Amino acid sequence: DTGVSQNPRHKITKRGQNVTFRCDPISEHNRLYWYRQTLGQGPEFLTYFQNEAQLEKSRLLSDRFSAERPKGSFSTLEIQRTEQGDSAMYLCASSRTDNYGYTFGSGTRLTVV
Amino acid sequence: AQKVTQAQTEISVVEKEDVTLDCVYETRDTTYYLFWYKQPPSGELVFLIRRNSFDEQNEISGRYSWNFQKSTSSFNFTITASQVVDSAVYFCALSEAGSGGYQKVTFGIGTKLQVIP
Repeated sequence: DTGVSQNPRHKITKRGQNVTFRCDPISEHNRLYWYRQTLGQGPEFLTYFQNEAQLEKSRLLSDRFSAERPKGSFSTLEIQRTEQGDSAMYLCASSRTDNYGYTFGSGTRLTVV
Repeated sequence: AQKVTQAQTEISVVEKEDVTLDCVYETRDTTYYLFWYKQPPSGELVFLIRRNSFDEQNEISGRYSWNFQKSTSSFNFTITASQVVDSAVYFCALSEAGSGGYQKVTFGIGTKLQVIP
């Protein structure tokens, strides 16, 4: 069990550019979640995968956001045409079942300048 | 809609003092789950405990204890004999079991605990 791995740890990008983040969950976990956390706030739910199927998507996720989990293993979160309001910590988590404690990764901190 | 309120945004205590972090939740479901997570300065959220709505037994794990009271919709967290390593942001969270399928976890805004040596 090597934990949930997220890359990159930090990303600085210019407004309007596209960015992609990667998450490698714990291998036995078929549930994978993306959350976003801004300064002074708790994590906010973005989207959820069970295996390769994206089963839930928050209204926070505009059309500029897309997430995939091919083959039910790693996941990617892409943000197109980034805006300054996208600056946040993007957290990935995985779990073996629903409603159990998540294992979180260290997050990817995005700064849009 | 589910909601989690952590009214204490920041708490400072001197090492070895006991400290209680408050959490009040709102939900229309009768079946739900409550969680506590710790986020140390390194940033990675660490799962501490899960409690389901049918289990009101208090739990103790070392210096940590949790008091779940459905009557007041509270799930408070106490650290006994606090240590500097306990300094972190602590999040309370809630998910409703619903009728099936994924129910998102809603987090509170967190309580920042500073333990002063």
